[in-house]
Amino acid sequence: GIQVEQSPPDLILQEGANSTLRCNFSDSVNNLQWFHQNPWGQLINLFYIPSGTKQNGRLSATTVATERYSLLYISSSQTTDSGVYFCAVENYGGSQGNLIFGKGTKLSVKP
Amino acid sequence: DTGVSQDPRHKITKRGQNVTFRCDPISEHNRLYWYRQTLGQGPEFLTYFQNEAQLEKSRLLSDRFSAERPKGSFSTLEIQRTEQGDSAMYLCASSWGSGANVLTFGAGSRLTVL
Repeated sequence: GIQVEQSPPDLILQEGANSTLRCNFSDSVNNLQWFHQNPWGQLINLFYIPSGTKQNGRLSATTVATERYSLLYISSSQTTDSGVYFCAVENYGGSQGNLIFGKGTKLSVKP
Repeated sequence: DTGVSQDPRHKITKRGQNVTFRCDPISEHNRLYWYRQTLGQGPEFLTYFQNEAQLEKSRLLSDRFSAERPKGSFSTLEIQRTEQGDSAMYLCASSWGSGANVLTFGAGSRLTVL
């Protein structure tokens, strides 16, 4: 099956710093979502981005489908950005809704 | 739109007991999914419904697990004869299966089996 690798596994930032999280996937996808899991376990959808670039406030994401990777940019980080960021993909031609998640990047933003 | 609701949020049970979790999806969503997440891992797909039809089940869903969505609205996930290895967060998600299939997750039901 499709493999999803996220890097780095852990990231510690000072408040105000910028960061880039990476997601590599091993096959063609027709669905790619970035999620933020807060300390209480709630998964919040950040972007639906199987290709192209999107921006939402301090966050932006780019997926280069032909090269099988996606990047999540966080600018001017805040302590509330702490948590685990997951990339999840649905294999092109695979079963719908069977999102395959990476292991996540755990982000800690220090004040 | 109140989002995806899950109940209970936490459940502690003894090994061998049965437990049931409920999920209420976003009302206009026709697809409903169950995922399981263990500590330090990403969520893993268990099963998915389109309306009341259960269209796919993961190999992770052993015979002790059963999911239903009787009227195409809320869903239940029952685990019979719980084992310690069933301890996990059980996540429900829903989507409107047309165009971009964007999943919205609930807050999860955390199960601890003693």
